Amino acid sequence: NAGVMQNPRHLVRRRGQEARLRCSPMKGHSHVYWYRQLPEEGLKFMVYLQKENIIDESGMPKERFSAEFPKEGPSILRIQQVVRGDSAAYFCASSPTGANEKLFFGSGTQLSVL
Amino acid sequence: AQTVTQSQPEMSVQEAETVTLSCTYDTSENNYYLFWYKQPPSRQMILVIRQEAYKQQNATENRFSVNFQKAAKSFSLKISDSQLGDTAMYFCAFMKPSYGNKLVFGAGTILRVKS
Repeated sequence: NAGVMQNPRHLVRRRGQEARLRCSPMKGHSHVYWYRQLPEEGLKFMVYLQKENIIDESGMPKERFSAEFPKEGPSILRIQQVVRGDSAAYFCASSPTGANEKLFFGSGTQLSVL
Repeated sequence: AQTVTQSQPEMSVQEAETVTLSCTYDTSENNYYLFWYKQPPSRQMILVIRQEAYKQQNATENRFSVNFQKAAKSFSLKISDSQLGDTAMYFCAFMKPSYGNKLVFGAGTILRVKS
């Protein structure tokens, strides 16, 4: 039973480029969460999605960031026109339902913006 | 809004010794969940232990146990018989029991186990 799969593990982008981060939840999990970890800090919630729906995006920056979780395929976190401040580790987590349970995390994608 | 504070940026412990990591939180909720996650150099987030606030009994998982003081809003992690593999960043986290499983994390404590 594969865990939460994130790819790529490392992503290097130049300022102004687009970054696309992928997350495949655990089998049977239909709830996906994205968190961002800046250097020397804890993880910060960004967005919570169910299949084809964004449930809570209260932690997402208003500009340049978007997320989707289509009916088929992985969840995608998209960052347009990246800036140096976007450099961070981005973690995806999944759960079978949306209520009061532990999250299973992926190994994260380290985004470096040059 | 809930906040989680870990006041110890770094801790060291000798192999086989016991160490306690501190965590305090702030909330007006009466029912909630608390977690400790371990993040080794591999960056994988690993759940160490989970506590439900309505349970008075402290959670235990093998060498890991918590001291949950609800009135003081304190949730410390005790690691007994420390092993080199316990070297990692440890995060305390809070979850309000609403739809969405949203975790609020502390800033973390780096634990180094020395041989």
